Amino acid sequence: EVQLVESGGGLVQPGWSLRLSCAASGFTFDDYGMHWVRQVPGKGLEWVSSISWNSGTIGYADSVKGRFTISRDNAKNSLYLQMNSLRAEDTALYYCAKGSIAAAHNGGHFDYWGQGTLVTVSS
Amino acid sequence: DIQMTQSPPSLTASVGDGVTITCRASQSISSHLNWYQQKPGKAPKLLIYGASSLQSGVPSRFSGSGSGTDFTLSISSLQPEDFATYYCQQSYSSPPYTFGQGSKLEIK
Repeated sequence: EVQLVESGGGLVQPGWSLRLSCAASGFTFDDYGMHWVRQVPGKGLEWVSSISWNSGTIGYADSVKGRFTISRDNAKNSLYLQMNSLRAEDTALYYCAKGSIAAAHNGGHFDYWGQGTLVTVSS
Repeated sequence: DIQMTQSPPSLTASVGDGVTITCRASQSISSHLNWYQQKPGKAPKLLIYGASSLQSGVPSRFSGSGSGTDFTLSISSLQPEDFATYYCQQSYSSPPYTFGQGSKLEIK
């Protein structure tokens, strides 16, 4: 059974940093691209970042480019999102999602999702 | 970036009814269109990928169609568990993997 478990969310002040983690199990982690998607409570889904199976291809939404860094450790079956210079508008539930292909871009779908970790940025 | 527009934003229906949700892309995305279902307090769940392929385990009352810029998600004979919010997503030209704004299906 595929499982994705996010952690690392919390309440932080604007300008602070936070590192999210996603522990994956139930599939061959290094065969697939992985993604982060966020959702402001009560609002729609926003893609945040993607990383290919070997970390060779990475992409970011314009809203987080230059502030967030996605990474993965295939030996630990783990995905990460380092979030720096956090803003109030980054407040959201952050989901980790498994891609259906090895690549990070141009194709596929998100076939499994974690339950999310809540990030709140407020003074 | 490709924009995805869903309609209607919300709809009401009764158990047993059939409904259709539409998703339009701002440019052609071939068949690279996916549909997700999200229930309150839960993570999104993949329903349809590649415009018309049913994800394993998803009931056959769900179906998808379309190509190019216009796509539909149809649900026949609504069940109580189908009342949720539905999102389309394009994966043709990504990043970004653009989502539609969602269509909330409520019980009448």
